[in-house]
Amino acid sequence: DGGITQSPKYLFRKEGQNVTLSCEQNLNHDAMYWYRQDPGQGLRLIYYSQIVNDFQKGDIAEGYSVSREKKESFPLTVTSAQKNPTAFYLCASSIDSQTSYEQYFGPGTRLTVT
Amino acid sequence: GQSLEQPSEVTAVEGAIVQINCTYQTSGFYGLSWYQQHDGGAPTFLSYNALDGLEETGRFSSFLSRSDSYGYLLLQELQMKDSASYFCAVIPGGYNKLIFGAGTRLAVHP
Repeated sequence: DGGITQSPKYLFRKEGQNVTLSCEQNLNHDAMYWYRQDPGQGLRLIYYSQIVNDFQKGDIAEGYSVSREKKESFPLTVTSAQKNPTAFYLCASSIDSQTSYEQYFGPGTRLTVT
Repeated sequence: GQSLEQPSEVTAVEGAIVQINCTYQTSGFYGLSWYQQHDGGAPTFLSYNALDGLEETGRFSSFLSRSDSYGYLLLQELQMKDSASYFCAVIPGGYNKLIFGAGTRLAVHP
């Protein structure tokens, strides 16, 4: 079955630690995205990648970093510089950048930092 | 900047019809998408409008008026399973990314 996987589903970390969230897709999609969702709010774009070895900052990139070394993988690192990292993180992909209107989402990772 | 406005909550009864509105203000505009998200779940794509008019997909329809910077999602024959949050999202001009609204929480009652 094709889809997007994110692991783990729940993640707990102490303040001051960097943490990397995994996102893998086997849809053969070129474009991938990372969003953050806070309770009762919409999705805010952190980073996006239109093609391998390329990525751009979204609206709230500060305190986050990404890499896109393989087409199927787009890991997100939440650094200690992120002031309020506790949130629900969603990874998505689209066939390419021209079809960004139709994105396929993974199940999400709920990160809690204390 | 970009902004999208949609109602925060809508309530309806099973079998009824409900309309969720979305107005947007963006620097350039390519199209309007709609997504559904059940509590704790992942958003799923419902529809996309790039041109003015109505797009119908089963019980769901989506409308766009570019001149009014306005769109809506119409849900017919409501079922309990339609209780979820619905997000409108725009592709602003010059970018290949989506900007999401804050979402409308729909509660369907028996």
